Amino acid sequence: GNSVTQMEGPVTLSEEAFLTINCTYTATGYPSLFWYVQYPGEGLQLLLKATKADDKGSNKGFEATYRKETTSFHLEKGSVQVSDSAVYFCALIPGYSSASKIIFGSGTRLSIRP
Amino acid sequence: DVKVTQSSRYLVKRTGEKVFLECVQDMDHENMFWYRQDPGLGLRLIYFSYDVKMKEKGDIPEGYSVSREKKERFSLILESASTNQTSMYLCASSFPGIGSRVTGGNTGELFFGEGSRLTVL
Repeated sequence: GNSVTQMEGPVTLSEEAFLTINCTYTATGYPSLFWYVQYPGEGLQLLLKATKADDKGSNKGFEATYRKETTSFHLEKGSVQVSDSAVYFCALIPGYSSASKIIFGSGTRLSIRP
Repeated sequence: DVKVTQSSRYLVKRTGEKVFLECVQDMDHENMFWYRQDPGLGLRLIYFSYDVKMKEKGDIPEGYSVSREKKERFSLILESASTNQTSMYLCASSFPGIGSRVTGGNTGELFFGEGSRLTVL
């Protein structure tokens, strides 16, 4: 079946540290991959996406590369800020499926110390 | 920008009360969704709708119903609220999106409202 596995949180880093949040997936066909972010007290926002193998999604200094060979979509940022403190969700829509089939990971809480 | 608006950010209700959560989107999206979010359980799909008056059960529909009389509005109804329905409720909308093959490059990503935190006493 289709699933998303992301690293357990919480993740606590100091400001300006390098961030990696791991995400791996299982899917039929060629899924589209997403990272969503949820800031405290808010709904989820799309952070970035990639629709085919080797695509790199990027936004707000975050990047993730669609790696079909390792079925991964790890989120990275070179220098985190306190304002990046949030919960991050990896998600996929299986190939040739509708948006109703979007599958979310369990979320990773990130806290950045000043 | 797409805007998804949920009518109430915070609600407190008593057990047995009927609860309405309203959601409106302004981007003419066909799909609308209701999720609940609980610590350690992530997002779970309650119901979704792909057209006016159409609805389908998600993963946890028990105790909930929905209404979609107009394309822009999707309501979640708790007929008789219970304490185990205390949660954060998230509404979302999207174009249909068929993986990465939709014309125009749309992949069907979801746009979320800010959430409604419901407490049932």
